[in-house]
Amino acid sequence: DADVTQTPRNRITKTGKRIMLECSQTKGHDRMYWYRQDPGLGLRLIYYSFDVKDINKGEISDGYSVSRQAQAKFSLSLESAIPNQTALYFCATSDRNEQFFGPGTRLTVL
Amino acid sequence: GENVEQHPSTLSVQEGDSAVIKCTYSDSASNYFPWYKQELGKRPQLIIDIRSNVGEKKDQRIAVTLNKTAKHFSLHITETQPEDSAVYFCAASKAGGYQKVTFGTGTKLQVIP
Repeated sequence: DADVTQTPRNRITKTGKRIMLECSQTKGHDRMYWYRQDPGLGLRLIYYSFDVKDINKGEISDGYSVSRQAQAKFSLSLESAIPNQTALYFCATSDRNEQFFGPGTRLTVL
Repeated sequence: GENVEQHPSTLSVQEGDSAVIKCTYSDSASNYFPWYKQELGKRPQLIIDIRSNVGEKKDQRIAVTLNKTAKHFSLHITETQPEDSAVYFCAASKAGGYQKVTFGTGTKLQVIP
């Protein structure tokens, strides 16, 4: 679904580095989400935003921050990356119920 | 907050057999229950959903059932095919409005030809 894009798609970084993952959408949805996927743990919510001025913590927000620069853009930052933040990260948008996921960013922290 | 448990974590079936994945939820206020399929290397995509005002919904070879009293819902896939091999996630939320979605931990389904 080209309507939700993520950059970069893959990133390898070192412990202590600052990393930003970006998400853009052309679906016109107000609601945007960041999830991380780990084997056996499913999709866990990091942060979510229901409009440009709204930011909410999810179940695993520690060590992460977000910025909603515009309706179409929602960025996730790792201020000081650590190895246990190695995971597959998904951005998603929704209008009412269905979630539309981006292609994912595979992040490795060495 | 909502807690969604999903079983089994892995499931292997012979092609043509049926597969059943079960989920339970904790928040009685949840009323929307979607299922997502994630093929290898791809993003999750919605395959079917059910609202709490119905007990069952079908779409070709897939069906979902909901038991509100017991707070559990299940995905049924009949006549499984190799292309059904994927990870399946159940989820729960409150329909419409501005609500977050809580996902289960996923079931890796393998259909053996």
